[in-house]
Amino acid sequence: NAGVTQTPKFQVLKTGQSMTLQCAQDMNHEYMSWYRQDPGMGLRLIHYSVGAGITDQGEVPNGYNVSRSTTEDFPLRLLSAAPSQTSVYFCASTRTPGYGYTFGSGTRLTVV
Amino acid sequence: TQLLEQSPQFLSIQEGENLTVYCNSSSVFSSLQWYRQEPGEGPVLLVTVVTGGEVKKLKRLTFQFGDARKDSSLHITAAQPGDTGLYLCAGAITGSARQLTFGSGTQLTVLP
Repeated sequence: NAGVTQTPKFQVLKTGQSMTLQCAQDMNHEYMSWYRQDPGMGLRLIHYSVGAGITDQGEVPNGYNVSRSTTEDFPLRLLSAAPSQTSVYFCASTRTPGYGYTFGSGTRLTVV
Repeated sequence: TQLLEQSPQFLSIQEGENLTVYCNSSSVFSSLQWYRQEPGEGPVLLVTVVTGGEVKKLKRLTFQFGDARKDSSLHITAAQPGDTGLYLCAGAITGSARQLTFGSGTQLTVLP
């Protein structure tokens, strides 16, 4: 099993550019989420989804969009990249919210 | 303000020593998880605790959930260099299980 797959692994963007971070899972998990990890701040929830067609905001949603058209995929879109969005982004999924989460290996994004 | 306070933030010890990492909050959690993260990778689940007072053991690691479900600890016995990594606690607040909140992490280094 691949688990949770994130692409790309690394990305450099210029301020104002847009891009999509991809996340796919093959465990048939209904719940998927996106986190960003910054030094000294742990992981902060950006957006989450409890199933296809259903998304909601987390703690730090500004500047990010998500959609969930299938159970497997949960892409994260940066609309107009800003240096403050330089971070490591993780996608996670679980069968039962509040219990064991499986994380992808992350996307390291730098906005210059 | 961090909802989950982890301490210490950094810990450097010699191989064979024991250590305890703490995770504290003023909120009540329906479940609490511990993860370990290595450089360039996503967090990997170690354990989930759900019952106040619960103690779980995973080889040399002992996890405890406070009676009031507001705090947790991770104790490592006879630490080894392979235990080196970032340890993260994460909790699902009662009534908000869809949003997992992370502590800021404890960076453990075990010297040979």
